[in-house]
Amino acid sequence: QQQVKQSPQSLIVQKGGISIINCAYENTAFDYFPWYQQFPGKGPALLIAIRPDVSEKKEGRFTISFNKSAKQFSLHIMDSQPGDSATYFCAASLYGSGNTGKLIFGQGTTLQVKP
Amino acid sequence: IAGITQAPTSQILAAGRRMTLRCTQDMRHNAMYWYRQDLGLGLRLIHYSNTAGTTGKGEVPDGYSVSRANTDDFPLTLASAVPSQTSVYFCASSDRTSGGVRVQFFGPGTRLTVL
Repeated sequence: QQQVKQSPQSLIVQKGGISIINCAYENTAFDYFPWYQQFPGKGPALLIAIRPDVSEKKEGRFTISFNKSAKQFSLHIMDSQPGDSATYFCAASLYGSGNTGKLIFGQGTTLQVKP
Repeated sequence: IAGITQAPTSQILAAGRRMTLRCTQDMRHNAMYWYRQDLGLGLRLIHYSNTAGTTGKGEVPDGYSVSRANTDDFPLTLASAVPSQTSVYFCASSDRTSGGVRVQFFGPGTRLTVL
């Protein structure tokens, strides 16, 4: 059972455009939602993360929008650049002090930004 | 060494053979994890360790074992490899920040092919 569902599987955007990747989760106990960026041949790296007490978090050109009632969250990449071409993973976790930080990942989205 | 190292980088293995993937971190993180990455499935947790001397099962533990004799090393063993274990394997580690968040840092991965 896939607890975190991610879409689309692949995305092609023109340079300067907005890239949008969506995720939905099932477990209402999840309370930490990171996004990871992975370049070919590399391990994933944390890009940005949000907790459900806020509806939006912005870091530079990257924004997470969070809808707790719908159990959905999304990554928006503004002014997309060719250097943003990578695979993006959403994830969910239990935040509390007794938890190990185990992450449940979505299926991944391969983003290609065309010059 | 800075961060997480994994060895080997890649390996082709005959079915039925035993294989140990190595992972070493120099960040003194308490928690460590093993994931496998498969196209369309994202990253799935195999095993994890909260601290040296303890281990736990993730989403897909069958056919794999781990040990955590010390803080720095977390080897993953395939006792008798099968073709379905062909994948890219990532080791990760995390520790709790002052804000309480467990950020996972990933190694560069091991590409394993079982024939």
